[in-house]
Amino acid sequence: EAGVTQFPSHSVIEKGQTVTLRCDPISGHDNLYWYRRVMGKEIKFLLHFVKESKQDESGMPNNRFLAERTGGTYSTLKVQPAELEDSGVYFCASSQDQVGAYGYTFGSGTRLTVV
Amino acid sequence: QKEVEQNSGPLSVPEGAIASLNCTYSDRGSQSFFWYRQYSGKSPELIMSIYSNGDKEDGRFTAQLNKASQYVSLLIRDSQPSDSATYLCAIYNFNKFYFGSGTKLNVKP
Repeated sequence: EAGVTQFPSHSVIEKGQTVTLRCDPISGHDNLYWYRRVMGKEIKFLLHFVKESKQDESGMPNNRFLAERTGGTYSTLKVQPAELEDSGVYFCASSQDQVGAYGYTFGSGTRLTVV
Repeated sequence: QKEVEQNSGPLSVPEGAIASLNCTYSDRGSQSFFWYRQYSGKSPELIMSIYSNGDKEDGRFTAQLNKASQYVSLLIRDSQPSDSATYLCAIYNFNKFYFGSGTKLNVKP
């Protein structure tokens, strides 16, 4: 079984540019989550999709961040325009069951550097 | 106040020793507690979960939970250099994880 795949693994962009991160969940997993870790801080929740619907987007920091999951398969997280404080590692995770933490699989993350 | 607090380390132990990793949490109503291990540049991987007060053992790993003290710990017996990684304590509330900042463990050969 393929795991959670994230593209790209690294991205370096200039402040003010746009970046789009992609996450391919495990096939059949309806639940998809985005988390991020900024330098020196803990991993924090951004949002949760169930299929193509946003179940919880309470962790999205501001309206420069836009997440989509068209068709309930892969998801994208766009940052526009990027700011220096957006630098960090963005993790995606997927699970089959909505309730409970078991079966929660993380991707290896996208390291975003804004210069 | 952070939901989950961990000492960032690094914690250095010699090979074969017991490594003790600690974590406190703020939400007294938390019910689900997890330890993840993360190697540099890799995804967090689940080591153990614990839900009830007391100890839970799995191979060389023992998780300990004390809800009255809002304290979770992870013991690693017979530590190996391959255990060198960052260990993340997490609670699961409201369908999401709350992570600590992680403790970096170095096991010296």
